[in-house]
Amino acid sequence: SQELEQSPQSLIVQEGKNLTINCTSSKTLYGLYWYKQKYGEGLIFLMMLQKGGEEKSHEKITAKLDEKKQQSSLHITASQPSHAGIYLCGAVNAGGTSYGKLTFGQGTILTVHP
Amino acid sequence: DTEVTQTPKHLVMGMTNKKSLKCEQHMGHRAMYWYKQKAKKPPELMFVYSYEKLSINESVPSRFSPECPNSSLLNLHLHALQPEDSALYLCASSQEPEVGYRPQHFGDGTRLSIL
Repeated sequence: SQELEQSPQSLIVQEGKNLTINCTSSKTLYGLYWYKQKYGEGLIFLMMLQKGGEEKSHEKITAKLDEKKQQSSLHITASQPSHAGIYLCGAVNAGGTSYGKLTFGQGTILTVHP
Repeated sequence: DTEVTQTPKHLVMGMTNKKSLKCEQHMGHRAMYWYKQKAKKPPELMFVYSYEKLSINESVPSRFSPECPNSSLLNLHLHALQPEDSALYLCASSQEPEVGYRPQHFGDGTRLSIL
């Protein structure tokens, strides 16, 4: 089954700083999803990447999928306290069951100090 | 605001009780999911419904019984739960499974505590 490793496990930054979270897969990624979760709440969908080399941005968050499709990065520019939370990468199993069974990484806890 | 609505938000029940968790979406999605999330862990898939039929059961104990009455509703019936079943239960939905990889949209979850 798909295994995803996220790094770092936790991150503390000062407001205004840039940061990057990485997600590495043990297998080729056919669909890579980034979610954000506030403690005790549901997951908020951020972005989906499918093609090698693909890059997507939404407001100050940019996600990339490398050419070999085994690693993705999430970059936040000029972080704000509202960016704080748990960031989870999720992937469908290689060979792709069409219903998109998701396996998640362990998550990265982001703290942004004002 | 989330487009997947889960009720109740919190539930406390004894080990002999019977209760149900409810999930509703009006996005026209034909795939719906139940996940279980323990503290400081990622969500783990429990069940998948595709076109109102159960397509995946991730070896979940029979004390959890899912039901999909129609394309907009998903229930999770609980009976004789154990303390280790205390967790956040998340519902999600996505577009037609055959279309390909589609993002799943999650509800805010039900926080379940077993006494």
